[in-house]
Amino acid sequence: NAGVTQTPKFQVLKTGQSMTLQCAQDMNHNSMYWYRQDPGMGLRLIYYSASEGTTDKGEVPNGYNVSRLNKREFSLRLESAAPSQTSVYFCASLKGAEGAGGYTFGSGTRLTVV
Amino acid sequence: DQQVKQNSPSLSVQEGRISILNCDYTNSMFDYFLWYKKYPAEGPTFLISISSIKDKNEDGRFTVFLNKSAKHLSLHIVPSQPGDSAVYFCAASGGTYKYIFGTGTRLKVLA
Repeated sequence: NAGVTQTPKFQVLKTGQSMTLQCAQDMNHNSMYWYRQDPGMGLRLIYYSASEGTTDKGEVPNGYNVSRLNKREFSLRLESAAPSQTSVYFCASLKGAEGAGGYTFGSGTRLTVV
Repeated sequence: DQQVKQNSPSLSVQEGRISILNCDYTNSMFDYFLWYKKYPAEGPTFLISISSIKDKNEDGRFTVFLNKSAKHLSLHIVPSQPGDSAVYFCAASGGTYKYIFGTGTRLKVLA
């Protein structure tokens, strides 16, 4: 019963490098999300996918792209990393319409861009 | 413009006493609210929810109150335990499959 799995857990990038954060859920949830958490800023939505085949921008999408590969997987790509993208990234999934329990979150990816 | 606000960055409470965490929102379209708890190096975990058709929801030691006219919700933890020490986030949604989070309140329960 893994829930939401994120890889990698930690990553250090140099400015300008690219990387993809992976996320997979095994709960057959329809919707998936990427958030970033920064001190004093709470959790801010980067992109989300309400259902397989759709993606939409959240509050802070600049510098990121996403792919909803299938119902299970939702990846986040940084094409040219910047120090401002140093953050902790959380992937989450949601079963469907709002209901008890809300999101299930992964354990996070701590990304440092130097 | 922050639609969901948690104005207290931190709170310290003695073990056994009540902890009250507050959250304010500005968007009157929000109709579903959640509280999450987060320990260091872990993802947030769901704690309790409330729909706008209710003004109170209780689950064990945790109670959430919603005051729609004031656009305010609060989480009460009674009695507080050292294991409750964590960061608490409130989140709100208006039926769009997206939740907007507050900035969090760090609760420290003193033994």
